[in-house]
Amino acid sequence: AQKVTQAQTEISVVEKEDVTLDCVYETRDTTYYLFWYKQPPSGELVFLIRRNSFDEQNEISGRYSWNFQKSTSSFNFTITASQVVDSAVYFCALSEEDNDMRFGAGTRLTVKP
Amino acid sequence: DAGITQSPRYKITETGRQVTLMCHQTWSHSYMFWYRQDLGHGLRLIYYSAAADITDKGEVPDGYVVSRSKTENFPLTLESATRSQTSVYFCASSRGKPSSGNTIYFGEGSWLTVV
Repeated sequence: AQKVTQAQTEISVVEKEDVTLDCVYETRDTTYYLFWYKQPPSGELVFLIRRNSFDEQNEISGRYSWNFQKSTSSFNFTITASQVVDSAVYFCALSEEDNDMRFGAGTRLTVKP
Repeated sequence: DAGITQSPRYKITETGRQVTLMCHQTWSHSYMFWYRQDLGHGLRLIYYSAAADITDKGEVPDGYVVSRSKTENFPLTLESATRSQTSVYFCASSRGKPSSGNTIYFGEGSWLTVV
């Protein structure tokens, strides 16, 4: 069963547009952790954020913001005023108590100049 | 701060050959992992290790062997490579158990092509 769903396979925007990457997860645990990673064209995986299930406060870091909603099991990622350097594949991941960390299939974001 | 180093970064091998991908970390992290990345599947866990001499299977372990004689090294061996093992392999590590909230940090990846 798919634990983490990133329904958007590819998104293309023009520079300076805002874009939201969706992530829906599935778990029965009350304690769990959610992550976002970025994979730029160079191929490495870069950690962006970790959120635990007890902290539903939204997080903002510069142009990046994350919206965690337990009621809809979603952990969406928004990039404000996108830039070409934001072009990458973004992965959402879920870590539960007795399971390996599970990754979504990824969303490829292309930001055009 | 070297972090995680994988070698080789790129490898082409023939079906049936044995291939070993090396992974070395300098953080003294307890946990180490091997993932494979394939289009449409995201990252899938092959094997992981909680400490030296302790390894366990992940989601897709068939055809792979791991060992961890030293905390800093976690080699992955394909005993008899098959075309289906053509993939990008990522080694990763974390200070503690990911399910306790520890972040997993990744190496740069090893691109393996089996012909």
